[in-house]
Amino acid sequence: GAVVSQHPSRVICKSGTSVKIECRSLDFQATTMFWYRQFPKQSLMLMATSNEGSKATYEQGVEKDKFLINHASLTLSTLTVTSAHPEDSSFYICSARERGGGEDTQYFGPGTRLTVL
Amino acid sequence: KNEVEQSPQNLTAQEGEFITINCSYSVGISALHWLQQHPGGGIVSLFMLSSGKKKHGRLIATINIQEKHSSLHITASHPRDSAVYICAVRNRYTGNQFYFGTGTSLTVIP
Repeated sequence: GAVVSQHPSRVICKSGTSVKIECRSLDFQATTMFWYRQFPKQSLMLMATSNEGSKATYEQGVEKDKFLINHASLTLSTLTVTSAHPEDSSFYICSARERGGGEDTQYFGPGTRLTVL
Repeated sequence: KNEVEQSPQNLTAQEGEFITINCSYSVGISALHWLQQHPGGGIVSLFMLSSGKKKHGRLIATINIQEKHSSLHITASHPRDSAVYICAVRNRYTGNQFYFGTGTSLTVIP
């Protein structure tokens, strides 16, 4: 089946620094990628929807200047957490919709665990 | 109120037992997904359903669109099935929007 990778899988950074997380579709083209965050023992929460070549659409309450999303190609989307703060510590997951696939052809990445000290 | 409710929240079973996890939702959907999340956090998509029933190995997923209910069954459960199982539905009226349940934490004891 289709594979979505994320890099890094874990990252620890100091408060005030920026962290970039990559999401790649390995064997298909993804016109749309989604970014989620998950706090311990809670459900996934959609942060933003990223379409190749256009600006991301952010969910209410998500700061677009803090969580920068770039969908540079049909196989890569990046999420940059700027000026990271301890409360940004979370599990970030991406999913990708296959180009030409039906509405529901989505594949999830393995996630990135961010810890901000 | 969450648009997707799962039960039970936690489940402990003996190896070999038949397991059922339930999911009820309140929105009109185009599809329902069952996801598996292991302790490391990575998510695997098990099933995508829009009607009826699907089977993959020891896993069976069913959905009743009229009753807005889905079940995930695991036959002959094994300790490696221990994970969090998440029900997610796609809202048919908002296209991209996924609603996630809070998950069912399953522990299978040898």
